[in-house]
Amino acid sequence: KAGVTQTPRYLIKTRGQQVTLSCSPISGHRSVSWYQQTPGQGLQFLFEYFSETQRNKGNFPGRFSGRQFSNSRSEMNVSTLELGDSALYLCASSLVTTSDPNEKLFFGSGTQLSVL
Amino acid sequence: AQKVTQAQTEISVVEKEDVTLDCVYETRDTTYYLFWYKQPPSGELVFLIRRNSFDEQNEISGRYSWNFQKSTSSFNFTITASQVVDSAVYFCALSEARGANNLFFGTGTRLTVIP
Repeated sequence: KAGVTQTPRYLIKTRGQQVTLSCSPISGHRSVSWYQQTPGQGLQFLFEYFSETQRNKGNFPGRFSGRQFSNSRSEMNVSTLELGDSALYLCASSLVTTSDPNEKLFFGSGTQLSVL
Repeated sequence: AQKVTQAQTEISVVEKEDVTLDCVYETRDTTYYLFWYKQPPSGELVFLIRRNSFDEQNEISGRYSWNFQKSTSSFNFTITASQVVDSAVYFCALSEARGANNLFFGTGTRLTVIP
């Protein structure tokens, strides 16, 4: 069974540009979450999508947005990039069942975004 | 407010030594979940264990064991007879709401096992 796939693995952008990151969850998983990891702030929750709807949102500005498609694949978009957006962006998927709502997360290897 | 504290930033041990990684959490919820994840150099976080707030039973899985104590709000992780492959960053995390995948992570502990 294929794991969580994130593309691209590395990205270099300049300030002011926008970027789109992609995440393909494990087959059958309907929940996709996004996390930002930086040396200074650590791992921080961005948002979660379940059945194409945003179910949870972290404390990030509106420049960070996401969506989920009917096949559960998800994209994350960051507009008007700032230097501080340089980070490893991790996507995680989970099965989510009514009998086990806090299912464990399976993470991808992440997209390393550098903003110059 | 929720908070996860991993006071140990870096730990180095010699292979075959036992090592304990500490995790202290804060939450006002009575229902919550605690997790441990491992992050090897490749970057992806690997799930190790999940424990809910109503289950204080300690768990052992091979060389790994976890000690959950609600009285001290701690969820510590012990690796017995450490191996070089255990070298990684280990994160403790807390989830408060039922069905929510919003995890609050600690700052992580970097474990280096020296051969």
